Amino acid sequence: DADVTQTPRNRITKTGKRIMLECSQTKGHDRMYWYRQDPGLGLRLIYYSFDVKDINKGEISDGYSVSRQAQAKFSLSLESAIPNQTALYFCAAETGSNTGELFFGEGSRLTVL
Amino acid sequence: GENVEQHPSTLSVQEGDSAVIKCTYSDSASNYFPWYKQELGKRPQLIIDIRSNVGEKKDQRIAVTLNKTAKHFSLHITETQPEDSAVYFCAVRNYGGSQGNLIFGKGTKLSVKP
Repeated sequence: DADVTQTPRNRITKTGKRIMLECSQTKGHDRMYWYRQDPGLGLRLIYYSFDVKDINKGEISDGYSVSRQAQAKFSLSLESAIPNQTALYFCAAETGSNTGELFFGEGSRLTVL
Repeated sequence: GENVEQHPSTLSVQEGDSAVIKCTYSDSASNYFPWYKQELGKRPQLIIDIRSNVGEKKDQRIAVTLNKTAKHFSLHITETQPEDSAVYFCAVRNYGGSQGNLIFGKGTKLSVKP
């Protein structure tokens, strides 16, 4: 298990506020991801990072930014939160060696009022 | 880019029956096809995967079949049990592509009635 930890687990905020979701993993995996889950829409990729110096946009990056502070840490920021960013956010780390398995954190539920 | 379609969106079966979930994809270069299970309030977890050089893979009551020509793959669960109730996501990946990310289907909510 990649032991992926997300904080906070739940957050309620107001429109226009800046929010940071943090993710850390203990297994030293290079690849980390941020996904957003909405009912009926599955898991959509926001940003991903293959190493500390590599940051890439996913399919729904608008309104989000990320920071890879270290190999183990990958943070997602909403600079000015809006209500349609209300969702469940998952961070994931990948085992590498082309095994392909993603280990997900427990999720961060964000509500923007 | 890759497009993954998953059907059905909801599936209800009686305990002991079989369940089949199907996904189709658009990129013929895709070569890795995992299935993730997400129980209520939990994180998604990998339950089985298959690569493009294999047509079928089994693990106890679950199996995945792949038809590369038709670009579809399916999850089969036999002798379903209440604990199989969850949302199941298929995913597709092209390891040789420019990004090599997993693209997920929209999920199937499986309910197993005792």
